[in-house]
Amino acid sequence: GENVEQHPSTLSVQEGDSAVIKCTYSDSASNYFPWYKQELGKGPQLIIDIRSNVGEKKDQRIAVTLNKTAKHFSLHITETQPEDSAVYFCAASRGFKTIFGAGTRLFVKA
Amino acid sequence: DAMVIQNPRYQVTQFGKPVTLSCSQTLNHNVMYWYQQKSSQAPKLLFHYYDKDFNNEADTPDNFQSRRPNTSFCFLDIRSPGLGDAAMYLCATSWGTGFGAAFFGQGTRLTVV
Repeated sequence: GENVEQHPSTLSVQEGDSAVIKCTYSDSASNYFPWYKQELGKGPQLIIDIRSNVGEKKDQRIAVTLNKTAKHFSLHITETQPEDSAVYFCAASRGFKTIFGAGTRLFVKA
Repeated sequence: DAMVIQNPRYQVTQFGKPVTLSCSQTLNHNVMYWYQQKSSQAPKLLFHYYDKDFNNEADTPDNFQSRRPNTSFCFLDIRSPGLGDAAMYLCATSWGTGFGAAFFGQGTRLTVV
């Protein structure tokens, strides 16, 4: 079946450094790729998304890149802050079906 | 603020005793989803409603049912909860013919005793 692989599972960075999370998807028909941030005890929050006809998208300190040929997409967070500490999920969607990656726990050390 | 609201935030139920979780939304989205998220795992889609059309995932157990009486409300019914059903249940909404679940509620954490 379809799956999304996400790496790394845990990432620890110093405040101010950049963080990169990478995902690979298997369903070539996926056409929408959202990223979610989930804090402890809360629901996932959409932080950025990209559609299959776009290669890159940026929103302030967050950027996402998509390589459809390789079926890879990545999240880049620059100038990390302690409040960026959370679990981040990538996902690949086709129609109503969204497959999530296993998540990356990001720790930003002050 | 427009949002997705889930009640209750925490629910304790007895093994085998039916339980209902509720979700409401003020976004007027036509699609509503229910996800199950177990500890340290990714959310897993149980089913979704596109307007009134119910769509069950192939691997969702029969023990899980859902109702959507109107655009704003959606319910998750667990007919006979087992210990393995203890999890966070997430409601989400989106608009249109499907670009994934964009807005999640805060979730209901279900404990089965």
